Amino acid sequence: DQQVKQNSPSLSVQEGRISILNCDYTNSMFDYFLWYKKYPAEGPTFLISISSIKDKNEDGRFTVFLNKSAKHLSLHIVPSQPGDSAVYFCAASDGSGTYKYIFGTGTRLKVLA
Amino acid sequence: EPEVTQTPSHQVTQMGQEVILRCVPISNHLYFYWYRQILGQKVEFLVSFYNNEISEKSEIFDDQFSVERPDGSNFTLKIRSTKLEDSAMYFCASSLLPTGSEAFFGQGTRLTVV
Repeated sequence: DQQVKQNSPSLSVQEGRISILNCDYTNSMFDYFLWYKKYPAEGPTFLISISSIKDKNEDGRFTVFLNKSAKHLSLHIVPSQPGDSAVYFCAASDGSGTYKYIFGTGTRLKVLA
Repeated sequence: EPEVTQTPSHQVTQMGQEVILRCVPISNHLYFYWYRQILGQKVEFLVSFYNNEISEKSEIFDDQFSVERPDGSNFTLKIRSTKLEDSAMYFCASSLLPTGSEAFFGQGTRLTVV
């Protein structure tokens, strides 16, 4: 049962343009969402998070948007840089007493110089 | 900046052998996790740990797996009798709260079972 889905396995973007990575979820109990960036053979690095009480959170070049009614979130990177090339995972947790983060399958972003 | 550290970075073991993967979580964090990623697949939850006991575990975390916090700083994952399909990257993570806060991950241990 894939509760967190990233339907685009890969994305290529020109340097300086916007990268938009999408994530859908099925569990309406999820109330906290995170984006992680991962390089090969390294651990996931936390990027940005959003609580379900918000619909937008911004941190520098990274903005996460949450649409609860559509059970959809997206990560915008503006402007994209070659160093942003990595695999991006969205993850979700719920506040109903579970103690885990559910990860999506990841989207490989390639920023072209 | 505080970080989660894992040792070893790479472990090769024979099928049927026991392995212990070690982690030092961030010092003021209270919740600890193990995840794994089989090559090319998604990051999968194994187990969470709080107050010296397992809070939650996945179906992957069967009787061959165990976790321990032997002292105030280390958090270990033991696989009693390794199988070929246990080959994966194993990530330790820690967080201050069980939900609503970020989990920070270590660099991972690549386990290769031969």
